[in-house]
Amino acid sequence: AIQLTQSPSSLSASVGDRVTITCRASQGISSALAWYQQKPGKAPKLLIYDASILESGVPSRFSGSGSGTNFTLTISSLQPEDFATFYCQQFFSYHLTFGGGTQVEIK
Amino acid sequence: QVQLQQWGAGLLKPSETLSLTCAVFGGTFNDYYWSLIRQSPGKGLEWIGDINEGGSTNYNPSLKSRVTISVDTSKNQFSLKLHSVTAADTAVYYCARSFRPGSSGYYNNWGQGSLVTVSS
Repeated sequence: AIQLTQSPSSLSASVGDRVTITCRASQGISSALAWYQQKPGKAPKLLIYDASILESGVPSRFSGSGSGTNFTLTISSLQPEDFATFYCQQFFSYHLTFGGGTQVEIK
Repeated sequence: QVQLQQWGAGLLKPSETLSLTCAVFGGTFNDYYWSLIRQSPGKGLEWIGDINEGGSTNYNPSLKSRVTISVDTSKNQFSLKLHSVTAADTAVYYCARSFRPGSSGYYNNWGQGSLVTVSS
């Protein structure tokens, strides 16, 4: 199975900060990567797919980049509603896998 | 707007079979892949498998020997059976719909989640 390693596993940031989360795949996955946001007690929400395409309705402060094995999710200006856990997920291999998550907390 | 509603037993004993049913309301049932994903504190998010309206399935190799996913297109429902459960199967189980018709991979519609606890 393709392993996805996210870093950091958690971070503390303030409203207005620029936040970057990375996801590294154990082998090349082209651009077959999505990012999700999950809040406590809720299902994950799709933010970005195909590595860099913003899902409809998702604020433009979220962006994704990368291909092959290295990917990033960037929040350009962190808002109070953005505090959550973020996951990457690959679909290059049909054994879909998720990263371990990055928890974004309020500083 | 597609809505997924799910239900199943919440407490199981080791060796029992987990059964979960997902009902789809709104939108089209055909042309999409319908998936089961679980989340546990120890293993994070784990894809279990998926099915389309024709009954074609794909399973996580690590669970394949114990998993059956089936579909009932007359009711717009799909179901999970996980046999011989252990404490390691304790998790929140989610139903989800693929983002693109005709292709699995990403999920933009999810059920509310069902907590399943395995304990003697």
